[in-house]
Amino acid sequence: GEDVEQSLFLSVREGDSSVINCTYTDSSSTYLYWYKQEPGAGLQLLTYIFSNMDMKQDQRLTVLLNKKDKHLSLRIADTQTGDSAIYFCAESRVGGKLIFGQGTELSVKP
Amino acid sequence: NAGVTQTPKFRILKIGQSMTLQCAQDMNHNYMYWYRQDPGMGLKLIYYSVGAGITDKGEVPNGYNVSRSTTEDFPLRLELAAPSQTSVYFCASRPADRYTDTQYFGPGTRLTVL
Repeated sequence: GEDVEQSLFLSVREGDSSVINCTYTDSSSTYLYWYKQEPGAGLQLLTYIFSNMDMKQDQRLTVLLNKKDKHLSLRIADTQTGDSAIYFCAESRVGGKLIFGQGTELSVKP
Repeated sequence: NAGVTQTPKFRILKIGQSMTLQCAQDMNHNYMYWYRQDPGMGLKLIYYSVGAGITDKGEVPNGYNVSRSTTEDFPLRLELAAPSQTSVYFCASRPADRYTDTQYFGPGTRLTVL
């Protein structure tokens, strides 16, 4: 299909790790992205991974890419209440267009 | 740099009215995009532009028009507003960089059509 798919909700306790999963469709996507959206705000780029990489680490964030299964994940270590937001994965298409998933709402409980 | 700016932040329209959503960027980016975000959904691409004078349709262009007379500005026009156009509209831009196609987003315009 044409869709990028994510689970809609994730709830974790403060200090735990969060793992947000995404499946995409276009095996020729050059880049895959994770964006964060806080309530009432626009999208903020969190991180991205080039399609020839398996993993990228950036402080508390770890991105894993499984090209064979077209599966992308975002792990947030030591999740804090300030990480509560909606997280979108996106794949790039020809012309730099982005196709977004529906977003995963992360709720962090103290 | 102000980045990507959008005006207005909120607007309520009556069915059949028209309006223009403004988007500007001061980063000298060639590419600009308009998305809509419906509740509980991801972003859908409405229109995009690869440079001044060049625009193209995205996934959901019906009911909208755009123009790109300058590099900085990319307004989105709704001619006959319909309730189905109630949404949050985001503008984004990116440089013509062959190493990454990261997009930078504005804060959004929340539009309600009654």
